[in-house]
Amino acid sequence: ELKVEQNPLFLSMQEGKNYTIYCNYSTTSDRLYWYRQDPGKSLESLFVLLSNGAVKQEGRLMASLDTKARLSTLHITAAVHDLSATYFCAVDMGSPSGTYKYIFGTGTRLKVLA
Amino acid sequence: DAGVTQSPTHLIKTRGQHVTLRCSPISGHKSVSWYQQVLGQGPQFIFQYYEKEERGRGNFPDRFSARQFPNYSSELNVNALLLGDSALYLCASSFPGGGTGVDTDTQYFGPGTRLTVL
Repeated sequence: ELKVEQNPLFLSMQEGKNYTIYCNYSTTSDRLYWYRQDPGKSLESLFVLLSNGAVKQEGRLMASLDTKARLSTLHITAAVHDLSATYFCAVDMGSPSGTYKYIFGTGTRLKVLA
Repeated sequence: DAGVTQSPTHLIKTRGQHVTLRCSPISGHKSVSWYQQVLGQGPQFIFQYYEKEERGRGNFPDRFSARQFPNYSSELNVNALLLGDSALYLCASSFPGGGTGVDTDTQYFGPGTRLTVL
């Protein structure tokens, strides 16, 4: 079964602290995406990771991909209130023939406390 | 530049009815994907279309169908609506996508259509 699991599901953290969200997936893929969703809003693309060892950083967020471990991490540095949102990872479990099947994780609801 | 647009914004239907949702991708984008997001859950992949051909399909019943037009806009059709079809339906476009091997697969999501089935 194709599964993408995130942990934690809920995260409440103090401003200024660091934390990591984990995304594990159950089958081979070298394409992983991170999205942010604010309440009642659509999804905003944060990172596209396309190879083993890929690391991307934007502001206080850094994402990495280990395809051998089937693991991606989203690291938050010195959290601020504006980062409060739900974060999703998604894996492209497409086939070599070019068909696509995107599986989203369960989501991590992040709340940054002042 | 305009982002991905979807219509209608909200829709209320009754069980057994049919619904058509529409999506216009970002200009120049040739790939459109559809997702269903039930409240409190992650999006579920329904379809992806590239150059008017279906390139991917999620685990949804045949009541769900879609198509892409020559101008790359897309429609999602759902027949015989069930209460469980109530959700936010998201459309995403990307360029070029569709298995070209080019790593510009960022998906840009539209605001969604909120479907309520009574």
